[in-house]
Amino acid sequence: DAGITQSPRHKVTETGTPVTLRCHQTENHRYMYWYRQDPGHGLRLIHYSYGVKDTDKGEVSDGYSVSRSKTEDFLLTLESATSSQTSVYFCAISFDGSGNTIYFGEGSWLTVV
Amino acid sequence: GENVEQHPSTLSVQEGDSAVIKCTYSDSASNYFPWYKQELGKRPQLIIDIRSNVGEKKDQRIAVTLNKTAKHFSLHITETQPEDSAVYFCAAKEYGNKLVFGAGTILRVKS
Repeated sequence: DAGITQSPRHKVTETGTPVTLRCHQTENHRYMYWYRQDPGHGLRLIHYSYGVKDTDKGEVSDGYSVSRSKTEDFLLTLESATSSQTSVYFCAISFDGSGNTIYFGEGSWLTVV
Repeated sequence: GENVEQHPSTLSVQEGDSAVIKCTYSDSASNYFPWYKQELGKRPQLIIDIRSNVGEKKDQRIAVTLNKTAKHFSLHITETQPEDSAVYFCAAKEYGNKLVFGAGTILRVKS
């Protein structure tokens, strides 16, 4: 499992509520990523982190924020969930410290009703 | 930023035949090109990758080729088996150590 765990794995929430997804790694890797996966779009980068408190936006960052206060945890927050944010969310880490050899967590299925 | 296009979107082959999936990228500075396989309900898993200083790489029945001049790379699967049925994604690493993915190819291997 490459030492990555995501929580929760499944969540149903109502429009307008805040939601936080957690990604936890056990191996002290520098780079962590959040992707969303939707049919016909592949995997799209939301935000990524290259160290504690060092984060940057990806291609679909609107409506999302992230935080990384510890090396092992990367949190993704939907401040006010919308139906368009119904998706599968994958956390990923880079094993070699340069953005190569990226491994994914098991995914978090989020439904916004 | 980088843009990756992947073709075909679906591919059906007979068991034992070969399958080829092609991707093109836009940023000539991209230097790392992985391929992922995703089975239904599972996470994408890295199956092979290639760096820009290499033209071809093989691992048993799978191979990847890279043409930097034309900015395209391909995945080749030989002697396909039913367990090869999955969605395959190509990706290119752009500046800032971010992977940009293609839209995916659904491969069906018919037995």
